Amino acid sequence: AQSVTQLDSHVSVSEGTPVLLRCNYSSSYSPSLFWYVQHPNKGLQLLLKYTSAATLVKGINGFEAEFKKSETSFHLTKPSAHMSDAAEYFCVVSESTGFQKLVFGTGTRLLVSP
Amino acid sequence: EPEVTQTPSHQVTQMGQEVILRCVPISNHLYFYWYRQILGQKVEFLVSFYNNEISEKSEIFDDQFSVERPDGSNFTLKIRSTKLEDSAMYFCASSADRQDNSPLHFGNGTRLTVT
Repeated sequence: AQSVTQLDSHVSVSEGTPVLLRCNYSSSYSPSLFWYVQHPNKGLQLLLKYTSAATLVKGINGFEAEFKKSETSFHLTKPSAHMSDAAEYFCVVSESTGFQKLVFGTGTRLLVSP
Repeated sequence: EPEVTQTPSHQVTQMGQEVILRCVPISNHLYFYWYRQILGQKVEFLVSFYNNEISEKSEIFDDQFSVERPDGSNFTLKIRSTKLEDSAMYFCASSADRQDNSPLHFGNGTRLTVT
């Protein structure tokens, strides 16, 4: 079965500094990986997805992630944090049973200070 | 941009009561899902639904749960006799296709509190 591990429950950065949210995956075959973001009182919004095309994936709001098979990682980065980036971020793998069954990580809360 | 809409945003019910959580998926989507997140825990898959039938369900989705698409626009999750442990945020999602390149669009969730 597929799984993801988010290594940090909380990450704190200052506005304007880089963001790194770490995710490692476990999969028996080439996985489909996603990052979702949840702002307070909002739904889960797709940031970006990897589905076996380019290993460097660009998403919305300046976020990107790199799929590294040798390290089984899919870390999320952004060069410069903005106050509006403060939210909960979920690394997600699809079990690809035919009907999208997503397996979520435990989430990383990003805190951005002025 | 089209959205998945869930109502109510918060539902409080007594243990043993039936609840129905409602969702309006994006209009041209064909695949529908329910996920839930118990406070402090991971978001978990409950069920997927296509062509008016359940396509896959998790171990959590026992006989107390049912889903329905009653009128071609709404997608509902019913819990027949709620338990305290059913308290969670329930997310509805829809997608245009079953493939991973057709991402899930989630609603804002319904927070269910069972007392």
